[in-house]
Amino acid sequence: AQSVTQLDSQVPVFEEAPVELRCNYSSSVSVYLFWYVQYPNQGLQLLLKYLSGSTLVKGINGFEAEFNKSQTSFHLRKPSVHISDTAEYFCAVSDYGNQFYFGTGTSLTVIP
Amino acid sequence: DAGITQSPRYKITETGRQVTLMCHQTWSHSYMFWYRQDLGHGLRLIYYSAAADITDKGEVPDGYVVSRSKTENFPLTLESATRSQTSVYFCASSEEGAGGWNEQFFGPGTRLTVL
Repeated sequence: AQSVTQLDSQVPVFEEAPVELRCNYSSSVSVYLFWYVQYPNQGLQLLLKYLSGSTLVKGINGFEAEFNKSQTSFHLRKPSVHISDTAEYFCAVSDYGNQFYFGTGTSLTVIP
Repeated sequence: DAGITQSPRYKITETGRQVTLMCHQTWSHSYMFWYRQDLGHGLRLIYYSAAADITDKGEVPDGYVVSRSKTENFPLTLESATRSQTSVYFCASSEEGAGGWNEQFFGPGTRLTVL
């Protein structure tokens, strides 16, 4: 089974500053990778996904992530955050089995 | 409405009672999932279903029962609720892509409190 590690449980950042949320996964076999966002009292929404092709993936709301196979990482970045980006962010991995594996989440707080 | 819905959105029950959480999707996705979300644990898979009448255990299945008689519905039953089952429950659906899994689509969640 896969394991997904989000190293930072909480990330405070000032508005308009850049941010990186880190995600590492355990297996080196081919995987699909996802970042989801959860706003307060809501379900999860897909931010972006990596299935194949270019290792730099662009998603909604100005987010992007880079797949690094040798480091088994899929870090999420945004060059300039807004107050509205305050939310919980989850990294998820899917292999060729029947399950998704989620990280424990990173709470991003954007400070005015 | 199109999409994936859950009911009820909020539920308070007592220890020992049976509770059923409903999940309905309109996309005819083959796969459906139930997760629970707890602080410090992220999302943990309870059960999943590959098609009608096909279900399988996830990471934390104890104390839960599922059924899937129709493709669009995937109810989750707590046969005898315990306080440790106080959580937020999310239903999701997905289709398998060409080489593996594609994204999952999530419902809005059910917040369950067991007193």
